[in-house]
Amino acid sequence: GNSVTQMEGPVTLSEEAFLTINCTYTATGYPSLFWYVQYPGEGLQLLLKATKADDKGSNKGFEATYRKETTSFHLEKGSVQVSDSAVYFCALRIQGAQKLVFGQGTRLTINP
Amino acid sequence: GAVVSQHPSRVICKSGTSVKIECRSLDFQATTMFWYRQFPKQSLMLMATSNEGSKATYEQGVEKDKFLINHASLTLSTLTVTSAHPEDSSFYICSARDPRDRDNQPQHFGDGTRLSIL
Repeated sequence: GNSVTQMEGPVTLSEEAFLTINCTYTATGYPSLFWYVQYPGEGLQLLLKATKADDKGSNKGFEATYRKETTSFHLEKGSVQVSDSAVYFCALRIQGAQKLVFGQGTRLTINP
Repeated sequence: GAVVSQHPSRVICKSGTSVKIECRSLDFQATTMFWYRQFPKQSLMLMATSNEGSKATYEQGVEKDKFLINHASLTLSTLTVTSAHPEDSSFYICSARDPRDRDNQPQHFGDGTRLSIL
């Protein structure tokens, strides 16, 4: 089946630290991969996406590269800010399907 | 860009009450919408796929009679939690895809509804 496994949280970092949140997937076919962010009390917002192998998605200083050989889509940011504190979800969608499959989410807290 | 609006954002009500949550696509017609449930500090669980003009498709383990879904128009889907009990308290989120988007485009999410049953 299709599944997404994320690095367990919570993750707590100091401002300006380097961030990595690991995400690996199992999928039949060729998935599109997404990172969504959920700020406290809100719904999900798309952070970035990649639709084929070796694509790099980027937004707001965050990056993730679609690695087919390792079935991974790790999220990185070089220097985090307090405002990055949120829950981050990795997700996939199989080509031609509409459903999203989510990872369990990783709660990130950035301390000043 | 495309926007999905969810209403209400928060509901507090007594046990036994039925609660309706609305999900609207504001600038596109959504033939399909999705309803998710999120438990505290956990991931999103897909409850059902709402199909305009036909019956919803429920995920395994979700009670159809408990969580009624109506997708009567191309811009509105409703989720009704019938005879709600405290264990139904949760954060409910809807999403929709703009059919004009290419296949690799993501879903658009509402801001969620926090349901608290006393």
